[in-house]
Amino acid sequence: NAGVTQTPKFRVLKTGQSMTLLCAQDMNHEYMYWYRQDPGMGLRLIHYSVGEGTTAKGEVPDGYNVSRLKKQNFLLGLESAAPSQTSVYFCASSYGHLNSPLHFGNGTRLTVT
Amino acid sequence: GQQVMQIPQYQHVQEGEDFTTYCNSSTTLSNIQWYKQRPGGHPVFLIQLVKSGEVKKQKRLTFQFGEAKKNSSLHITATQTTDVGTYFCEGSYDKVIFGPGTSLSVIP
Repeated sequence: NAGVTQTPKFRVLKTGQSMTLLCAQDMNHEYMYWYRQDPGMGLRLIHYSVGEGTTAKGEVPDGYNVSRLKKQNFLLGLESAAPSQTSVYFCASSYGHLNSPLHFGNGTRLTVT
Repeated sequence: GQQVMQIPQYQHVQEGEDFTTYCNSSTTLSNIQWYKQRPGGHPVFLIQLVKSGEVKKQKRLTFQFGEAKKNSSLHITATQTTDVGTYFCEGSYDKVIFGPGTSLSVIP
């Protein structure tokens, strides 16, 4: 069982470039999440999905878009990267919402210059 | 807005000393989860607390949920170098909020 897999592990972008972060889970979880982690700020929720074909905004959604076309995949897109989006991004999944532990991927370290 | 705070932000201990981190919420929680993140790693689930006043133990780790379900603590007895990392609490009510974490350093 791979659990939650994120790609890529590292990426450097120039301001204005776009990219997509990929997340895949093999646990048949309904719920998937994208977090960003910055020093001293903990984990902040960007977007989440409560099932295939659904997405919702989290705490810090501006500048990001997401899609959940298949239950096992959750994609995070940056249409026009900004230096403020330099961060470590974690995907997570859970069996239930609000009452189930989160299973995290290994993270993507993104630098925007 | 609703917040989950953790204290201390950093803790440096000598190996063998005890360590405690506290998690405080501005609102009553449905449940609370604790995670550990090793340096360079990802958060890993440790435990979930649901009931008021609940106490759970995992070897040298003791987790407690307050009677009012607004605070929680994680206590490590006789720290080891393998305990190094950042410990996060995650509170759930009508949404989920992570605390900022407590970073633990253990001096051999």
